[in-house]
Amino acid sequence: GQQVMQIPQYQHVQEGEDFTTYCNSSTTLSNIQWYKQRPGGHPVFLIQLVKSGEVKKQKRLTFQFGEAKKNSSLHITATQTTDVGTYFCTSGGANNLFFGTGTRLTVIP
Amino acid sequence: DAGVTQSPTHLIKTRGQQVTLRCSPISGHKSVSWYQQVLGQGPQFIFQYYEKEERGRGNFPDRFSARQFPNYSSELNVNALLLGDSALYLCASSRGVSYNSPLHFGNGTRLTVT
Repeated sequence: GQQVMQIPQYQHVQEGEDFTTYCNSSTTLSNIQWYKQRPGGHPVFLIQLVKSGEVKKQKRLTFQFGEAKKNSSLHITATQTTDVGTYFCTSGGANNLFFGTGTRLTVIP
Repeated sequence: DAGVTQSPTHLIKTRGQQVTLRCSPISGHKSVSWYQQVLGQGPQFIFQYYEKEERGRGNFPDRFSARQFPNYSSELNVNALLLGDSALYLCASSRGVSYNSPLHFGNGTRLTVT
């Protein structure tokens, strides 16, 4: 199945700093979903991107889908301790949804 | 509305045993997907069921099987347990097929194989 790689694998930031995680695929994606998993929790859906070049914002979070639909990014402005967790992008076909390798974010107060 | 519920929350089994994990989807959701998450890694896709039929299967051995019932609840069965099967098993429901519908996850079943 389609696999997506995420970078970085880990990121430590001071509270208030910005954070970005990148998701890259070798093949064109039909769409991409982003999930957040808090430590000890389960993945929670954040957003779905469908259109080439699409940009969506949720408060301090900005999601982008690349023009070629092969990459995506999640940018968090002015991180807070509540942003701690692992962020996953996904890829899939008609009957499956694969999670990327994830980026684990640590926010230092 | 109740979210996705999974049972049991924790389970300890020994090698060679069999285990059945259960999942109830959100009301109105017709698709259930199962994932295995080993500590420190991302969820690995096992199965997707939609309208009681298997629609997708990940790279897992035949020891793993599942089914979906008329009420859309689902069971995941794992036979001949191995130590490497120790993981968090997550169930997720969605309105439609998973690539186009957000997944709503349960809290998972923590399986320990000794």
